[in-house]
Amino acid sequence: DQQVKQNSPSLSVQEGRISILNCDYTNSMFDYFLWYKKYPAEGPTFLISISSIKDKNEDGRFTVFLNKSAKHLSLHIVPSQPGDSAVYFCAFTGANSKLTFGKGITLSVRP
Amino acid sequence: NAGVTQTPKFQVLKTGQSMTLQCAQDMNHEYMSWYRQDPGMGLRLIHYSVGAGITDQGEVPNGYNVSRSTTEDFPLRLLSAAPSQTSVYFCATLYVANYNSPLHFGNGTRLTVT
Repeated sequence: DQQVKQNSPSLSVQEGRISILNCDYTNSMFDYFLWYKKYPAEGPTFLISISSIKDKNEDGRFTVFLNKSAKHLSLHIVPSQPGDSAVYFCAFTGANSKLTFGKGITLSVRP
Repeated sequence: NAGVTQTPKFQVLKTGQSMTLQCAQDMNHEYMSWYRQDPGMGLRLIHYSVGAGITDQGEVPNGYNVSRSTTEDFPLRLLSAAPSQTSVYFCATLYVANYNSPLHFGNGTRLTVT
């Protein structure tokens, strides 16, 4: 039962451009949504989150969008920087469920 | 403030050997958990604990044992290692009072079973 889908396993963008990372989910009980970032040889670190009562949350260059009707979560990075090159995991949770992670998207930002 | 400390960083085992992956935290977090990361599979929950003396299974618990005798430590035991357990293992903690709080991860243990 695949509750989270990240259809594009990798993304390459030019420095300065926008990076858009997408996740789709099927479990309607999810009500809190997070993005984690992971560099090689390190553990994932929390990046940004959004609750189901909102459709947008912004933190500097990072914006997370939630479309509840489409069960779609996205992360926008503007402008993209080489240091943003990493693996990004979307994650979902609800009051009665454990954290469920997507498979990860590898972002490469070209100088 | 060390956060979440995992040891060892790397380990190579032969099939059938046993070992314990260590996880220690100094943030007084009640919730501790173990994940494994495999290519194309994301992060999958193995076992978790909501406090000392309490453990429960996650998504992929087979082949692993855990115990939680103190708040600080949550070791993961492989009793008889198999090649399918080759993976990167992450310990993650959470202040359980707020389930929306983000997990704090250690830097991982890379395990190879030959």
